[in-house]
Amino acid sequence: QSVLTQPPSVSGAPGQRVTISCTGSSSNIGAGYDVHWYQQLPGTAPKVLIYGNTNRPSGVPDRFSGSKSGTSASLAITGLQAEDEADYYCQSYDSSLSALYVFGTGTKVTVL
Amino acid sequence: EVQLLASGGGLVQPGGSLRLSCAASGFTFSSYAMHWVRQAPGRGLEYVSGISGNGGNTYYADSVKARFTISRDNSKNTLYLQMGSLRAEDMAVYYCARSTRPTTGGFFEWWGQGALVTVSS
Repeated sequence: QSVLTQPPSVSGAPGQRVTISCTGSSSNIGAGYDVHWYQQLPGTAPKVLIYGNTNRPSGVPDRFSGSKSGTSASLAITGLQAEDEADYYCQSYDSSLSALYVFGTGTKVTVL
Repeated sequence: EVQLLASGGGLVQPGGSLRLSCAASGFTFSSYAMHWVRQAPGRGLEYVSGISGNGGNTYYADSVKARFTISRDNSKNTLYLQMGSLRAEDMAVYYCARSTRPTTGGFFEWWGQGALVTVSS
């Protein structure tokens, strides 16, 4: 089971701001490891949206932003658009796991 | 352009074996760690296994340890996942992904299209 907890779903009207939380622990986010965020559109492979807590790859709109504090991280989407309807996953590194890498439980963003 | 092409998926009976491959192109394969991530139908992403760029270090989720083996052939630019003692709960789309680093850390910068593994009698 995942050790990074996200809300199952969030929703908002076009143009609104939504945030997705990612809650970890002292062995992952709280240990200082970076958090990365992925967007998965229906039927497609995930795509990196935010890396290293706050950085956007080239081509990702600045409507997407990331932050991290303590044992949690957040993804914010401002000016929500219809094409933002997708599943979003946080991911970090966990020194307590043999696999070392861990994904969040995932959040479905619905644009009303 | 970086490309990852997964293959080898299919239908297998419980207890059976299957080998997935991921052909990489567009970058120096041996310079990057590679990983397998799976997604069961209607479920979230689950990290499965990873291997360092030189193949010297491997990582496995507890759910697949001792049943799955990850390997790579840097001369063929190909990543493999040998899956054994397959269970119904292993049924998923398996994605190969390229890290941003040769060893641990980093993030999954590039993803393949996925290979569907169906475990059923």
